[in-house]
Amino acid sequence: DGGITQSPKYLFRKEGQNVTLSCEQNLNHDAMYWYRQDPGQGLRLIYYSQIVNDFQKGDIAEGYSVSREKKESFPLTVTSAQKNPTAFYLCASSKGVGGGPGTEAFFGQGTRLTVV
Amino acid sequence: AQSVTQLGSHVSVSEGALVLLRCNYSSSVPPYLFWYVQYPNQGLQLLLKYTSAATLVKGINGFEAEFKKSETSFHLTKPSAHMSDAAEYFCAVSLNTGGFKTIFGAGTRLFVKA
Repeated sequence: DGGITQSPKYLFRKEGQNVTLSCEQNLNHDAMYWYRQDPGQGLRLIYYSQIVNDFQKGDIAEGYSVSREKKESFPLTVTSAQKNPTAFYLCASSKGVGGGPGTEAFFGQGTRLTVV
Repeated sequence: AQSVTQLGSHVSVSEGALVLLRCNYSSSVPPYLFWYVQYPNQGLQLLLKYTSAATLVKGINGFEAEFKKSETSFHLTKPSAHMSDAAEYFCAVSLNTGGFKTIFGAGTRLFVKA
C-alpha cells in the first residue's frame, strides 16, 4: 500500500544531542513537508521541499535542518540549537506543483519527541 | 496574506446532535480549502476539500462543508454526531508559493457525550 512512514514513533533525546527523524513516502509525490504540532497551536511548518535537492524554510525553521537527496525521503534533524524540541512532528507529502492548488497533503503517523 | 481562523478550540455535543465546526479564511485570491481530522497520536486524514467545483462539499464519515464567499467561511457540519467522531479537526488553506504549501488553523477538538 502507498503511504508515508515516519520512524520512530517515539523518540527521547538528551539535552545537547542532535536527533534525526525519518520520513519515507512511496506515493511518488514531488512535495514533502515537516510540521511541528504543539497543544493549542495547530500545525506549524518547519521546512518543505518541492523537488529533490531543493528545500525552503517554513515558519519555524530555526534549530532544524533537512535534506532531500531522494524523492522518497525527507529526514528532519532536530539540532541542539532548538531550545524547546519536545513536540509531535508530522511529515506530509503532496503532488506538489503538478497536482495544482487543490491537491491535498498525505500525512505520516507522526513522531513524538521528548527531551529528557 | 492568507490565513485560517477556527472559532472555538473545543466543541462539545451530545451523541446524535448536530456538529458545527467553524472556519473562516482570509485570502486575496480564490482559496483552496480543506478539512482534516486527527485522532489521538496519529497523523491527519483528509475529510473533504473545496476546489471551486461546487460550494457544498461532501466528505467522508457523513461530514460536509459549505463554501460561502460572502462570509469567507468554510464551516464543517454533520447532522448527527457519533462517539467515533471525537477527534481534533483542522481547517486549512492552500497557498501558491511557486509550489503549493498548506497553512493550518489551530484546530478544534470535538467531544461527543453519550
